[in-house]
Amino acid sequence: NAGVMQNPRHLVRRRGQEARLRCSPVKGHSHVYWYRQLPEEGLKFMVYLQKENIIDESGMPKERFSAEFPKEGPSILRIQQVVRGDSAAYFCASSTGADWAEAFFGQGTRLTVV
Amino acid sequence: RKEVEQDPGPFNVPEGATVAFNCTYSNSASQSFFWYRQDCRKEPKLLMSVYSSGNEDGRFTAQLNRASQYISLLIRDSKLSDSATYLCVVKASSGSARQLTFGSGTQLTVLP
Repeated sequence: NAGVMQNPRHLVRRRGQEARLRCSPVKGHSHVYWYRQLPEEGLKFMVYLQKENIIDESGMPKERFSAEFPKEGPSILRIQQVVRGDSAAYFCASSTGADWAEAFFGQGTRLTVV
Repeated sequence: RKEVEQDPGPFNVPEGATVAFNCTYSNSASQSFFWYRQDCRKEPKLLMSVYSSGNEDGRFTAQLNRASQYISLLIRDSKLSDSATYLCVVKASSGSARQLTFGSGTQLTVLP
């Protein structure tokens, strides 16, 4: 693993609370992807960001979900007013952004909404 | 039609067997191709990139057929530790967006 750090590893929230997931990419990587994986399902694209820009958010639910990747600090995936259906593993990956470049994943944040 | 399609399996094979996974993609503008493996409840990890000329890494061989929009992964002399879900990943360029698109994965279990 090339060092993508996600925290927290596990997060429990009650329905209606906010969940904030952090992702620090590999040093030197300026491209970040967020994916969601529901139990027994594949990875689903959510959002693709470069520093200070959202490039593609076509996989993000229209409401309650937002993402940012500021000039300084980690990328943040924010889920407001969480519902049980938001329970999933959220993976972040980073890349240099070059066409040929592979992406490296963090260990994920497992969100449980109770 | 899904952008990246894989046979979900499961594939159950004995140790030492050779197993092949296939993947098709629908976006002809796809530029880069990868195989990742994902162990249960862990993050996906890059197994290998797939090059047009085909490439090999030890017991693993990847092939790409751009005309047919088809990618394959061959595992020879399967080990118990090869048991995992194998994800076909395609990277397409659409303007400034270079989104990674994942297949749903093929589950492999290598049996003793």
